[in-house]
Amino acid sequence: DADVTQTPRNRITKTGKRIMLECSQTKGHDRMYWYRQDPGLGLRLIYYSFDVKDINKGEISDGYSVSRQAQAKFSLSLESAIPNQTALYFCATSDLDDRADTQYFGPGTRLTVL
Amino acid sequence: AQSVAQPEDQVNVAEGNPLTVKCTYSVSGNPYLFWYVQYPNRGLQFLLKYITGDNLVKGSYGFEAEFNKSQTSFHLKKPSALVSDSALYFCAVRAPDTSGTYKYIFGTGTRLKVLA
Repeated sequence: DADVTQTPRNRITKTGKRIMLECSQTKGHDRMYWYRQDPGLGLRLIYYSFDVKDINKGEISDGYSVSRQAQAKFSLSLESAIPNQTALYFCATSDLDDRADTQYFGPGTRLTVL
Repeated sequence: AQSVAQPEDQVNVAEGNPLTVKCTYSVSGNPYLFWYVQYPNRGLQFLLKYITGDNLVKGSYGFEAEFNKSQTSFHLKKPSALVSDSALYFCAVRAPDTSGTYKYIFGTGTRLKVLA
């Protein structure tokens, strides 16, 4: 977990507020991902980026945006938070040279939208 | 639709007994299969993966998984459970996407409780 860090670890905010979750990695991986975890639903992909100039939508991108500021940094924004975005958010990375795309996860950010 | 199923929300096993956490999948082509473990307040940790070759894959902490193509299953096993194995376990598959790339599909997770 230490190779992929996420800030903040916990955040409580109000409906309508803009929120940014940040992810940094020291693994040297090109590929980065944002997932959300909800009880009973497993993990669902929000956005992913295969390099600095590449951004792709995942299965649940509505209401979210991302920015890949550098190879090591990938941030997730909620432009106007709503209560059903309350969830555990994970950043992950994978190595371009790993054909299996094994995912390495950060410790997560617990977001509560009131 | 492509999917991964973990039919048990929770598995209880006594310490020292063998454990099995079940996973079945429905994807096109030849999938890559994974197991991840999540301890409380931690991110998911990679345990093991199957890409090709030997159907029995060995991973971290004494875990292993058996790929069964005919049954489309990838069950996680350990010969002797430890209390410290208690955690949430996720099966995942990397499968072809309609966009021409690949995507990860995660199961809903199985909570393993090892009783002392």
